[in-house]
Amino acid sequence: DGGITQSPKYLFRKEGQNVTLSCEQNLNHDAMYWYRQDPGQGLRLIYYSQIVNDFQKGDIAEGYSVSREKKESFPLTVTSAQKNPTAFYLCASRDRATDEQFFGPGTRLTVL
Amino acid sequence: AQRVTQPEKLLSVFKGAPVELKCNYSYSGSPELFWYVQYSRQRLQLLLRHISRESIKGFTADLNKGETSFHLKKPFAQEEDSAMYYCALITGGGNKLTFGTGTQLKVEL
Repeated sequence: DGGITQSPKYLFRKEGQNVTLSCEQNLNHDAMYWYRQDPGQGLRLIYYSQIVNDFQKGDIAEGYSVSREKKESFPLTVTSAQKNPTAFYLCASRDRATDEQFFGPGTRLTVL
Repeated sequence: AQRVTQPEKLLSVFKGAPVELKCNYSYSGSPELFWYVQYSRQRLQLLLRHISRESIKGFTADLNKGETSFHLKKPFAQEEDSAMYYCALITGGGNKLTFGTGTQLKVEL
């Protein structure tokens, strides 16, 4: 089952710590995305990248950072500046031909 | 600004009953809309898109530009249709998706 992988599945961190969530894809897609999924709020876009070495802020980028050094990888760092980091994080990539986004299984982050 | 509204958080129907999940949008450009579905313990995945005008798993959705709606319909609900459904609008020149807040569909026996 290739496509998009995210690790870890569950992540716990203490307040004040930065943590990095992994996202890898083998679909050869240029565009990748990070969303946050909260109950009753749907999916909200954190950051996205259209191509290697380029990325843009989404709607709720504050307290997060990303990098895109390789086409296959788009890691998300949740910094200590993020006020409410406990959430379910979804990574996706986009097929440019159809605009369909393909999603990973998600990482559930809990801040203790 | 672009916006997608799904007014129902939860929709509960009996098996065999018709289903309609509502979606309204606001967008200044020419809209392209999708329905994504998330079954229990599965990934979020595309269900259908308005430009293909296809029926997937018995579901259809018609874009109504006059009412700015893209409601998802199925004539006879099945138990396996129980899932979270998200309506989404392409924005940013095709580079981004704006999602609604989702509707949890529960099909009861």
